Amino acid sequence: QVKLLQSGAALVKPGDSVKMSCKASGYTFTDYIIHWVKQSHGKSLEWIGYINPYSGGTNYNEKFKSKATLTVDKSSSTAYMEFSRLTSEDSAIYYCEVSGGYWGQGVMVTVSS
Amino acid sequence: DVVLTQTPVSLSVTLGDQASISCRSSQSLVYSDGNTYLKWYLQKPGQSPQLLIYEVSNRFSGVPDRFIGSGSGTDFTLKISRVEPEDLGVYYCFQATHDPNTFGAGTKLELK
Repeated sequence: QVKLLQSGAALVKPGDSVKMSCKASGYTFTDYIIHWVKQSHGKSLEWIGYINPYSGGTNYNEKFKSKATLTVDKSSSTAYMEFSRLTSEDSAIYYCEVSGGYWGQGVMVTVSS
Repeated sequence: DVVLTQTPVSLSVTLGDQASISCRSSQSLVYSDGNTYLKWYLQKPGQSPQLLIYEVSNRFSGVPDRFIGSGSGTDFTLKISRVEPEDLGVYYCFQATHDPNTFGAGTKLELK
């Protein structure tokens, strides 16, 4: 069955970057777009953007364009999101989602000095 | 950006009741290909969201038929007939017709 396994929680300092992973299994990795979503504590969901694993093409929410970088490694069926110049506003849970409807378990990122 | 307004913010129900959630969009969600990319998700406490409905009214694999999505243009509704304990949580509508894709603020379904 389709599974998305995300990397573990991260505690990072303001101004640093964090790179999180989303390893896919149970389907052909290049067949479906992968989306990334942010959920701040106790709040709703924000769409960050998506990447097409087949072409590498990306589409970002303007709000996150200078903050997030989406990449994939087809050889390991893994998608990555790097978030840069972190502030306390970036403390949240980050999810990956295959456009077919399956979600990873989420990565909690805490930005604190 | 497209704003999705969900009502009510919270909904208290008795098990076995019907529940209805509205999602109103600030723009038409009909895409140039004629499809309407409106989804419904449920997020149970401590879990990732799960897809219930895609393209307004299509149930995702394994979703019970008590979940019914309907609507068109800018007005959409999710109905849950005969609410069961596993239906409790926060429901979100989501549009992928316009960039950036956006979510509604959520509707919390809880027991009376």
